[in-house]
Amino acid sequence: ETGVTQTPRHLVMGMTNKKSLKCEQHLGHNAMYWYKQSAKKPLELMFVYNFKEQTENNSVPSRFSPECPNSSHLFLHLHTLQPEDSALYLCASSHLQTVEGRETQYFGPGTRLLVL
Amino acid sequence: GNSVTQMEGPVTLSEEAFLTINCTYTATGYPSLFWYVQYPGEGLQLLLKATKADDKGSNKGFEATYRKETTSFHLEKGSVQVSDSAVYFCALSNAGNMLTFGGGTRLMVKP
Repeated sequence: ETGVTQTPRHLVMGMTNKKSLKCEQHLGHNAMYWYKQSAKKPLELMFVYNFKEQTENNSVPSRFSPECPNSSHLFLHLHTLQPEDSALYLCASSHLQTVEGRETQYFGPGTRLLVL
Repeated sequence: GNSVTQMEGPVTLSEEAFLTINCTYTATGYPSLFWYVQYPGEGLQLLLKATKADDKGSNKGFEATYRKETTSFHLEKGSVQVSDSAVYFCALSNAGNMLTFGGGTRLMVKP
């Protein structure tokens, strides 16, 4: 039990569909992240939110649209995806980095997405 | 920039064998270092971490020592079990909450 939950765990969608991934953290953190994990590629950071404000967009295509309504919830809205977007999408959360050190990120179980 | 290099897998061991997974890094300043583990069908779990030079992180029989002189953070375990079969990721965190991951090393432990 990591305190970070993601739904759905599995998702199959067509290229014309619109779907959303949800992440919720119960750890009292104020930073949240989306990562993409593809086969045979390193983990890719997609978005970072600190205190509900987006602070990082790692050159992600606009067909991925994040939303962070509060510090506990993070969404990833998907539309007109491509088959190469099929991957495991991981959410993580942490406290904000302090002057003293870098805060540990805690991950959810991921949503395995298949785009047909 | 920051980078993390891990030994490529898969690493295949027999139960009770000694494990070493090498990890080296490039970073400015003084990063924190992490090992995460990903069991089949699951997300990443923090295994251990070290925040300054010569620190040793340990958990579940795994250990890693932050070696600044060799920019390394090798993962070791004295006696692996079948249940340790997973993918292990070395990572560093520098400025701005960002984690930089290595490519991951798959460990397979046979009975």
